[in-house]
Amino acid sequence: QKEVEQNSGPLSVPEGAIASLNCTYSDRGSQSFFWYRQYSGKSPELIMFIYSNGDKEDGRFTAQLNKASQYVSLLIRDSQPSDSATYLCAVTGSARQLTFGSGTQLTVLP
Amino acid sequence: DGGITQSPKYLFRKEGQNVTLSCEQNLNHDAMYWYRQDPGQGLRLIYYSQIVNDFQKGDIAEGYSVSREKKESFPLTVTSAQKNPTAFYLCASRPGNSYEQYFGPGTRLTVT
Repeated sequence: QKEVEQNSGPLSVPEGAIASLNCTYSDRGSQSFFWYRQYSGKSPELIMFIYSNGDKEDGRFTAQLNKASQYVSLLIRDSQPSDSATYLCAVTGSARQLTFGSGTQLTVLP
Repeated sequence: DGGITQSPKYLFRKEGQNVTLSCEQNLNHDAMYWYRQDPGQGLRLIYYSQIVNDFQKGDIAEGYSVSREKKESFPLTVTSAQKNPTAFYLCASRPGNSYEQYFGPGTRLTVT
């Protein structure tokens, strides 16, 4: 069983819609959760992190964490074509290492 | 201008040759990491270092070696023992008091 799993995608949404990206993790001791955006051929860019249960909003992005369900999600409101990328979920383990999911490819259609 | 630099951006080698990938940061971050990414895959941890002169193996360390002689530098050597070295290699660093990791631009290695 993978330690961090993301919905397989690819995911396509129309411009202006809400994109919902999901991630589950297996280690109940995980404390920190991250979303990275990776454009094709580029390195990952940190866009959100969340440490506590509930929602965290930053501009058009909202991260949601439910530790009891071992579930973290990323909502992108008013999706733009420039949001088209692969989104990587990452979870901390021991020694502050990150374990990454395999990513969800998002396409926002104009 | 602070950041993480990796060089070169593209690297081509013949099978059987060792190659060293550079990673430098001027962010004064304590921890540094090396990941490998294969097409359509997430990132897999090769090695990490939390302090100078100390480093630990990650999930896929076989065929790789590292050193951490300076806080700013964490070079990765891909040896001839690595069976499938062609990949996108990413270096990251982390401040000592946080969990967030920040990535360099990456080196794309092709071995033929």
